[in-house]
Amino acid sequence: DAMVIQNPRYQVTQFGKPVTLSCSQTLNHNVMYWYQQKSSQAPKLLFHYYDKDFNNEADTPDNFQSRRPNTSFCFLDIRSPGLGDAAMYLCATSRDRGEGQPQHFGDGTRLSIL
Amino acid sequence: DAKTTQPNSMESNEEEPVHLPCNHSTISGTDYIHWYRQLPSQGPEYVIHGLTSNVNNRMASLAIAEDRKSSTLILHRATLRDAAVYYCMLRVGNAGNMLTFGGGTRLMVKP
Repeated sequence: DAMVIQNPRYQVTQFGKPVTLSCSQTLNHNVMYWYQQKSSQAPKLLFHYYDKDFNNEADTPDNFQSRRPNTSFCFLDIRSPGLGDAAMYLCATSRDRGEGQPQHFGDGTRLSIL
Repeated sequence: DAKTTQPNSMESNEEEPVHLPCNHSTISGTDYIHWYRQLPSQGPEYVIHGLTSNVNNRMASLAIAEDRKSSTLILHRATLRDAAVYYCMLRVGNAGNMLTFGGGTRLMVKP
């Protein structure tokens, strides 16, 4: 049973056209994360929500925003995508931020920029 | 932040044990050692974690050196499905559980 679901699996957008990626979870976890993974690179954390508390990583570009309207859903908004934003975007959850809490990942959305 | 060092790639034969090494010489006393793996076209998957003692679960074993400056993930019998990139990471105990992925080791399993 899929627990962290990302839709769509593939997304194509135009240069500069806003795009939203979605993530939902059936685990009722408090924490949701967004990672960016470029080709042949390791995932890089962009930000996370602890409940409704948003936590941005220091080097995440302002072009990237996120919304979490409820426990189950989290969105990644890219306001003006550039060619360098083409990547796999991974959503993950954990029960909380304490030690011993593994992160559960979705299978990602691969974003292409035309 | 403490960093980890892993070989870029390793090969194994199917049904043989695999030992994946990780060096973390700057590890601090509260850093836990975590392993995740990423199969092709999938998101990362939690494998195992530990602090000081060796750990076992249904997927793998984690052997931690006495000085904690290195660790080894052990897959007891590699299968073709274990072909993946394996990431060794450190997380700070109570300061959140943010993951900083390093380069990882690409494990290839030969039939």
